[in-house]
Amino acid sequence: LAKTTQPISMDSYEGQEVNITCSHNNIATNDYITWYQQFPSQGPRFIIQGYKTKVTNEVASLFIPADRKSSTLSLPRVSLSDTAVYYCLVGAGGATNKLIFGTGTLLAVQP
Amino acid sequence: ETGVTQTPRHLVMGMTNKKSLKCEQHLGHNAMYWYKQSAKKPLELMFVYSLEERVENNSVPSRFSPECPNSSHLFLHLHTLQPEDSALYLCASSQDRGGGSKNIQYFGAGTRLSVL
Repeated sequence: LAKTTQPISMDSYEGQEVNITCSHNNIATNDYITWYQQFPSQGPRFIIQGYKTKVTNEVASLFIPADRKSSTLSLPRVSLSDTAVYYCLVGAGGATNKLIFGTGTLLAVQP
Repeated sequence: ETGVTQTPRHLVMGMTNKKSLKCEQHLGHNAMYWYKQSAKKPLELMFVYSLEERVENNSVPSRFSPECPNSSHLFLHLHTLQPEDSALYLCASSQDRGGGSKNIQYFGAGTRLSVL
């Protein structure tokens, strides 16, 4: 299982674009990169998933360079309600579909 | 609403009690999971079920006993718990255990358990 490294915390202000980068140097060929968001006392919520290049949905964008050893979650124009912990996970499903949640990145959005 | 419902949302129990946590998914998924999240710690995977068969048990103490009667329901039976078992218990489901979108997990809101 590929290990991921991401910043423990980040600060931002309302209306700014926030980019959270995750390193996964030993990502395997068939691994996908998935990001989740978690608010206090709630379960994680799926945000976006990608394999390579760029993926965009109504919530965020995910940028993955050609070597796939890192990925960047981009949140456009954050609001106070985006204050949460963001997790980067790498895995390919398979026999156990084991997802390893690290400590995540605590994003604090200020007014 | 994620399509995964957990009950109860809060539970307080003594160390000698027996209780059960319930999870139900309305997504037609084939795989279900139990996670434990202690204060200021990462989520810990406890059990994985696929098509009602347990496929993983992450060295969880026997005082936690899972049950999956069908692909839509998952239970976690609790008995003689310890105070350190107090945590948020989360249930999740995924379409399958394959790669890509099949392994996206959808979580319930969790059960906040306090063991006195």
